Amino acid sequence: EDQVTQSPEALRLQEGESSSLNCSYTVSGLRGLFWYRQDPGKGPEFLFTLYSAGEEKEKERLKATLTKKESFLHITAPKPEDSATYLCAVQAWTGANNLFFGTGTRLTVIP
Amino acid sequence: EPEVTQTPSHQVTQMGQEVILRCVPISNHLYFYWYRQILGQKVEFLVSFYNNEISEKSEIFDDQFSVERPDGSNFTLKIRSTKLEDSAMYFCASSGGVRNEQYFGPGTRLTVT
Repeated sequence: EDQVTQSPEALRLQEGESSSLNCSYTVSGLRGLFWYRQDPGKGPEFLFTLYSAGEEKEKERLKATLTKKESFLHITAPKPEDSATYLCAVQAWTGANNLFFGTGTRLTVIP
Repeated sequence: EPEVTQTPSHQVTQMGQEVILRCVPISNHLYFYWYRQILGQKVEFLVSFYNNEISEKSEIFDDQFSVERPDGSNFTLKIRSTKLEDSAMYFCASSGGVRNEQYFGPGTRLTVT
């Protein structure tokens, strides 16, 4: 069965304090791994797609990396506006094109 | 920038009533999805739709649920007889290809009393 585990559940950072969020996955053939940002009461906002081990994507203060078992979302010098829940989702090659989500990491950046 | 829209933003209904949640996907997208998120829990897949038919559905998507693309722009989710446990945020999403990123709408908060 497909599984996505995100850690930590919650993370508090001082503004400018860099850190990483982890997404460990078990899937029967990874078609793609997706990172989303979700603000309270809103829909997930797409950030990155990674397709193969070794791939990296960057956007402003965020950088996503992928290995065969996990993905990391690195946040460099975060700002308070980066506070949100970050969701990881996987898509498998089983024929279904749905996303299977983790429970997310709730990030709070303190000024 | 194109975006997925959903209406209404909040729907309150009584147990046993039918509700229809509406979505307008991004115009050139071909794949459409419904997900739900119970408060404090993870986002869960309900159904995917392509070429005017369901391509995949989860165990949650039982006979009480149905989807339809009544015209070239709208995509709807109908719950025939709502239950208390149907209370959740319902998100519509669309993508241009099966491997492409899925773009989510703002959601409809469904409250069943």
